[in-house]
Amino acid sequence: GENVEQHPSTLSVQEGDSAVIKCTYSDSASNYFPWYKQELGKRPQLIIDIRSNVGEKKDQRIAVTLNKTAKHFSLHITETQPEDSAVYFCAATDSGYSTLTFGKGTMLLVSP
Amino acid sequence: EADIYQTPRYLVIGTGKKITLECSQTMGHDKMYWYQQDPGMELHLIHYSYGVNSTEKGDLSSESTVSRIRTEHFPLTLESARPSHTSQYLCASSDASRGGFEQFFGPGTRLTVL
Repeated sequence: GENVEQHPSTLSVQEGDSAVIKCTYSDSASNYFPWYKQELGKRPQLIIDIRSNVGEKKDQRIAVTLNKTAKHFSLHITETQPEDSAVYFCAATDSGYSTLTFGKGTMLLVSP
Repeated sequence: EADIYQTPRYLVIGTGKKITLECSQTMGHDKMYWYQQDPGMELHLIHYSYGVNSTEKGDLSSESTVSRIRTEHFPLTLESARPSHTSQYLCASSDASRGGFEQFFGPGTRLTVL
C-alpha cells in the first residue's frame, strides 16, 4: 500500500519567515495530494491540495509543489504569522482513489 | 448549516464495555470514514464506506465494526473496550460520487478506557 513520509516533525520559525514541509510517497499511481492543518483541540481542515497534472498551486501565502518523478511534494508558507502555528499533515490517495494515507504530521510553531 | 456531528464528544468507560460512537453528516456526501488519532499524531484509517450497505476495512479495523444503513449516519462500535483503545476518533465524509476528494472532518470523540 501507499507510504507517506513527512519531514520535519517539528519546525520553529520567527514571524515573517518562510516555512517548508516536505513529503514523499511510494505509490507512483497516486494522483491527489492534500494538506491539512489541525489547530490544538480542533478538527483537521484542508488548506490546499494539488492533483498530479499540476506542478504547483498557490493560494495567497500558501503554495504546494509536486515532483511526480521524484515522488515528493512540499508545502510552502510565506510571511508566517502566529496563527499559522498548528500541526500540518500531508496525504496521498491510493491508486484507486479510495482512501488517503497521511504523513505523521509537522508541528509548526511561529514565534512573534 | 451543513456539517459533520459526532457524539459523544468525550467518553470515559471501563474495560470490557461495549460502546458505539455516533457520526452524522448533513453535507449530502456519499463516502464516510473513521480515523483514530492520538493527540497531534498521524491519522490511522479504521473503516470507510462508499454508501448505504457498503463498509470497508482500513488499517486498524480488527477490533471495531461499522454499519451504514442510512446515507447520513455511520456509527462505530467497539464490542469490548480496552485501555489500548484510548484515543481520539474522527469521522469524515467526502463527495466522492461527484469527484470530490476533499475529506471534511467532524469534531471528534475523545475516548478514555480505564
